[in-house]
Amino acid sequence: EIVLTQSPGTLSLSPGERVTLSCRASQSIINNYFAWYQQKPGQAPRLLIYGASNRATGIPDRFSGSGSGTDFTLTISRLEPEDFAVYYCQQYGTSVLTFGGGTKVEIK
Amino acid sequence: EVQLVESGGGLVQPGGSLRLSCAASGFTFSSYWMHWVRQAPGKGPMWVSRINPDGSRTDYADSVKGRFTISRDNAKNTLFLQMNSLRAEDTAVYYCGTRDSGYLGDWGQGTLVTVSS
Repeated sequence: EIVLTQSPGTLSLSPGERVTLSCRASQSIINNYFAWYQQKPGQAPRLLIYGASNRATGIPDRFSGSGSGTDFTLTISRLEPEDFAVYYCQQYGTSVLTFGGGTKVEIK
Repeated sequence: EVQLVESGGGLVQPGGSLRLSCAASGFTFSSYWMHWVRQAPGKGPMWVSRINPDGSRTDYADSVKGRFTISRDNAKNTLFLQMNSLRAEDTAVYYCGTRDSGYLGDWGQGTLVTVSS
């Protein structure tokens, strides 16, 4: 099973700031089969990025994904008030899918 | 509009069984992979299982393999998760989801399963 480690655990930021979230895999992810999700309290996760860098339908272009192999990044170019949430990475390069532990982006 | 509605959650004793259902609408159910993902209170999501469009292939997380069975009824647009030998650590909100064999672009609202004596 591929283990995904997200860092940092929590980020305290202000609206308008740029944020970079990291996710490291315990082994290389084939074909960049990698996704990012946003989750707010009481809601199901929401798909942001798939295929490491493809934005899902309706996701604003301030969200971008990059990376390959074992290191992946989600960047929010300019934080909006609605972006304060928990972010999870996920890999689907093996028959057992796994999620990371999450990074909470909170208001400073 | 894609709609996924889970049901069947509740309180069950350790060692007991429960069957979850997920009613799908707004898309061609028989053409899509379907997944179950769970989330324990205060924790991150954990992928549980997936099934291919015709039901001929299933995959499971190691922690549920041999205890949980995923299935689908394409005639009724419904996904199922049969959960046996339940443990306290299976307590979670269970979501069904779809979009791709690997990632979930559409999610239900979840159903809570509590395993406790």
